[in-house]
Amino acid sequence: QSVLTQPPSVSAAPEQNVTISCSGRNFNFAKIYVSWYQQFPGTAPRLIIYDNDKRPLRIPDRFSGSRSATSATLGITGLQTGDEATYYCETWDFSLRSVIFGGGTKVTVL
Amino acid sequence: EVRLVQSGAEVKKPGESLNISCRGSGYLFTNYWIAWVRQRPGEGLEWMGLIYPTDSDTRYSPSFQGQVTMSVDESTRTAYLHLSRLKASDTATYYCARFSGSPGVLSWFDPWGQGTLVTVSS
Repeated sequence: QSVLTQPPSVSAAPEQNVTISCSGRNFNFAKIYVSWYQQFPGTAPRLIIYDNDKRPLRIPDRFSGSRSATSATLGITGLQTGDEATYYCETWDFSLRSVIFGGGTKVTVL
Repeated sequence: EVRLVQSGAEVKKPGESLNISCRGSGYLFTNYWIAWVRQRPGEGLEWMGLIYPTDSDTRYSPSFQGQVTMSVDESTRTAYLHLSRLKASDTATYYCARFSGSPGVLSWFDPWGQGTLVTVSS
């Protein structure tokens, strides 16, 4: 069973930078495509990064995506109180023929 | 504006069935797969499957195969998720989302419907 692993939570003060990792033992992240979603409590998820590092036009450039061979990373620069949300990574698992999501990372602005 | 609008919240008893609808607007409905995603209270996102409006081609998650049925009415630009023999564990918010990319290779979901809360309780 393939799993995408994210840290349960990260926190930082306003204006600081944070990164959220997404890793998985069965994945070569250099060869797969990862998307990231932001979800506020009680609302639907929203796409913020797709195809590893691309941003929809409405998403500010404070959000970025990157990857290595072993993980994908979401970066948020200049953290704002409005960024407090849960963030999920997602990819297609070829062996399972299934989309899988990471467990989610809750971002807290101190 | 591309939008997906879902049907309203439901309260059901164990053993009952229901259909959740998801109507697309603002784009060529037949050109994009529709995905369904479950989120149990306090938990993460679970992909349930995809359906392609043009030919109703479906791809179910192995975790949901046989448990749910997806369908689509191209004429009304509406996708449906059918849940049967409901259990308390089916209590969740169900989202539809427009799928972009290529099944099996590249995927992202944008936009999402507002979600439909389903409560199963005796």
